[in-house]
Amino acid sequence: DTGVSQNPRHKITKRGQNVTFRCDPISEHNRLYWYRQTLGQGPEFLTYFQNEAQLEKSRLLSDRFSAERPKGSFSTLEIQRTEQGDSAMYLCASSLGLRTQYFGPGTRLTVL
Amino acid sequence: GQNIDQPTEMTATEGAIVQINCTYQTSGFNGLFWYQQHAGEAPTFLSYNVLDGLEEKGRFSSFLSRSKGYSYLLLKELQMKDSASYLCAVRDDQTGANNLFFGTGTRLTVIP
Repeated sequence: DTGVSQNPRHKITKRGQNVTFRCDPISEHNRLYWYRQTLGQGPEFLTYFQNEAQLEKSRLLSDRFSAERPKGSFSTLEIQRTEQGDSAMYLCASSLGLRTQYFGPGTRLTVL
Repeated sequence: GQNIDQPTEMTATEGAIVQINCTYQTSGFNGLFWYQQHAGEAPTFLSYNVLDGLEEKGRFSSFLSRSKGYSYLLLKELQMKDSASYLCAVRDDQTGANNLFFGTGTRLTVIP
């Protein structure tokens, strides 16, 4: 399967803990995006990379959130000092330039 | 800013045709996408329109009118497996990115 993959699929953590998610895009895709989706809502843009450069961050991305794509391939999204409001599905998508974005299966985060 | 509206829920009968509407307001329109999302799964790409008119792909068709800020997704010969959320997303190129801005999604229930 050469689609977008994300790990873990589910994460349960206690408030105040740090969590890190990983996304592996489709191999030839140079753009990688992170979205957050809560129940009954559409995905909301968080940030995106072109190769290894992080080019845009939404104002939804507080200082507790950081994302990296060190070699222009996989990406990580870290949330520090998690809060209950961070509970959501975190979706990763990739694209080749301005072409269609393809989504991974997501990581469902539950903060207790 | 971006504003995307679509109905929250729709119900249709197996074998019938259903049309899901989407209206949008955006500052830098550069294409409209429809995604299908089954509960707990990632959005999967259905269609893309950037010019006015109808794009047909098997049982699915999508229409765009840029002057009216309006699109619809038409699903023919409905099947039970078509029960899902349908997300309308507008690509805004004002920032130079390829960011998608999603509506809240239309939850379609197909009944026998």
